[in-house]
Amino acid sequence: AQTVTQSQPEMSVQEAETVTLSCTYDTSENNYYLFWYKQPPSRQMILVIRQEAYKQQNATENRFSVNFQKAAKSFSLKISDSQLGDTAMYFCAFMKLPGNQFYFGTGTSLTVIP
Amino acid sequence: DSGVTQTPKHLITATGQRVTLRCSPRSGDLSVYWYQQSLDQGLQFLIQYYNGEERAKGNILERFSAQQFPDLHSELNLSSLELGDSALYFCASSVESGLVLNEQFFGPGTRLTVL
Repeated sequence: AQTVTQSQPEMSVQEAETVTLSCTYDTSENNYYLFWYKQPPSRQMILVIRQEAYKQQNATENRFSVNFQKAAKSFSLKISDSQLGDTAMYFCAFMKLPGNQFYFGTGTSLTVIP
Repeated sequence: DSGVTQTPKHLITATGQRVTLRCSPRSGDLSVYWYQQSLDQGLQFLIQYYNGEERAKGNILERFSAQQFPDLHSELNLSSLELGDSALYFCASSVESGLVLNEQFFGPGTRLTVL
């Protein structure tokens, strides 16, 4: 079974600063993908970034980047130049193939302080 | 807007009742996934349908059932409702069955409150 752990229930960051959200996972699979989703107060699930396990290079999407440590089964999200609109719940998620089902962590509530 | 629609947005009912949640996938998507998000929890995978057939099952209770119709919309039926079933229920859709990575597009969710 796959498990995803987010050990930081809540975090806060000053506007324009950088923050890192942690995620660890446990799996015996070799072919899998990792994701960070953002859930603002509207409750919509928004894909932030995705990482393929077979790729060594860390994924980057504008102000969002990941630190993927496969051996340590760690997948952290770094948000640079934090903006007020980044305030949301952030969920780390695991997906294996075949299957395409997500396994989500319990989330980290991030507040960006003006 | 992801293109996935869910109705109703909100549902309030009593314990012991039965409800049906509806999901329409994005045009062209054949797979539908149902997830449950209880308070302060991550999303839990319930069940997946692909082109009308059940493809995978997660932590879905026996009181819950789902189906996907020929027009590809899906319904999640929840019966003998308990207080603990109160949650946000998400539907997601993707193009393929899960053999290769497909992005899942999430609907806005249905908030179920059981009193």
